[in-house]
Amino acid sequence: DVKVTQSSRYLVKRTGEKVFLECVQDMDHENMFWYRQDPGLGLRLIYFSYDVKMKEKGDIPEGYSVSREKKERFSLILESASTNQTSMYLCASSLRSRAGPMNTEAFFGQGTRLTVV
Amino acid sequence: AQSVTQLDSQVPVFEEAPVELRCNYSSSVSVYLFWYVQYPNQGLQLLLKYLSGSTLVKGINGFEAEFNKSQTSFHLRKPSVHISDTAEYFCAVSQGGYNKLIFGAGTRLAVHP
Repeated sequence: DVKVTQSSRYLVKRTGEKVFLECVQDMDHENMFWYRQDPGLGLRLIYFSYDVKMKEKGDIPEGYSVSREKKERFSLILESASTNQTSMYLCASSLRSRAGPMNTEAFFGQGTRLTVV
Repeated sequence: AQSVTQLDSQVPVFEEAPVELRCNYSSSVSVYLFWYVQYPNQGLQLLLKYLSGSTLVKGINGFEAEFNKSQTSFHLRKPSVHISDTAEYFCAVSQGGYNKLIFGAGTRLAVHP
């Protein structure tokens, strides 16, 4: 089974702190994603990466950055945490669909609930 | 830009009753459609997907969905729900490639005894 592991289930940080959210997948997937989940808004894409050291902005990248130094690991960084970044963060991975649409399923981690106080 | 609209934010239903969760998408090109389920305090799990072929798609836990291109809809159905189906359900669309999923706002299904 594909496993996507997020380093923390719950995290409490202070305003202004630098925060790292870590995600590791064990299925050699090329694509990795960070989403933010808020009630009534569904999941919104923050950043994604389709290869090591490659990254693309999603729909809401402001206040975030990412790092992908190894294929299996994708980190989300909050440079200076703010209270409006209190949310559930979900990491996902998927195969690159070079063979057509058959490999487009995304697998999700358990989520990290971040509270910024 | 693509978008997904889930028409109901909450759906209450009694156990063993049928249920339909509605999803509409906007796109002028071919799309791939997904339904995911999120149980309390868990990540998302794939229920079913439409990539091509038959417009009626069967998934896990007795769920099915029908792709209707003319109405740009992908409604999720189950003929008889259980208490354990209580969860939040998300409809999503992708254009393949990097598989960037665009999600709807979610529908919270509450099954009552």
